[in-house]
Amino acid sequence: AQKITQTQPGMFVQEKEAVTLDCTYDTSDPSYGLFWYKQPSSGEMIFLIYQGSYDQQNATEGRYSLNFQKARKSANLVISASQLGDSAMYFCAMREVRQFYFGTGTSLTVIP
Amino acid sequence: DADVTQTPRNRITKTGKRIMLECSQTKGHDRMYWYRQDPGLGLRLIYYSFDVKDINKGEISDGYSVSRQAQAKFSLSLESAIPNQTALYFCATRGGGAHQETQYFGPGTRLLVL
Repeated sequence: AQKITQTQPGMFVQEKEAVTLDCTYDTSDPSYGLFWYKQPSSGEMIFLIYQGSYDQQNATEGRYSLNFQKARKSANLVISASQLGDSAMYFCAMREVRQFYFGTGTSLTVIP
Repeated sequence: DADVTQTPRNRITKTGKRIMLECSQTKGHDRMYWYRQDPGLGLRLIYYSFDVKDINKGEISDGYSVSRQAQAKFSLSLESAIPNQTALYFCATRGGGAHQETQYFGPGTRLLVL
């Protein structure tokens, strides 16, 4: 079974609108971490946000928030007030014990 | 200067050749990782190391080996390169303290095996 599933290969959003990128995960480990990374066309991997499995509140970092629904094993990324520079690939990832697993990514395009 | 550097940035090699990709970091982190990225497959973990004497296989270690020469250096070797090892390779580090969960990635090495 896939550890991380991202079901949206591509998404479009109007500039200044909010967008949600979906991520579901699979683990039986009670202690795990969830991450989102951005990969622009230049190729570098940029860390966006982290959520620990024991964290009670959803993580937020500026315009990014992570909608953590533990019972549903989902960790969706919400980007508010989209900007043209947000156009990129977005990867959801999970740390389980000492290993990391990444999803296949969602390509986000922000339309002016 | 970048905190995590990878050399070379691009490499073309032939089937059967042995090649080494190098990663160096100035962040003082103990934990280092090697990933490969293939189109449509995301990143997959090849090897990881928590210190010089602690090296572990990841999800897809077959055909690869690593060496942790020092805390700051972690090298990935392809003993006998094959075309399906053509990919983008990333090194990453992870430290302790308040940001211990965050991985910091190098710029990547694009490898083409002919």
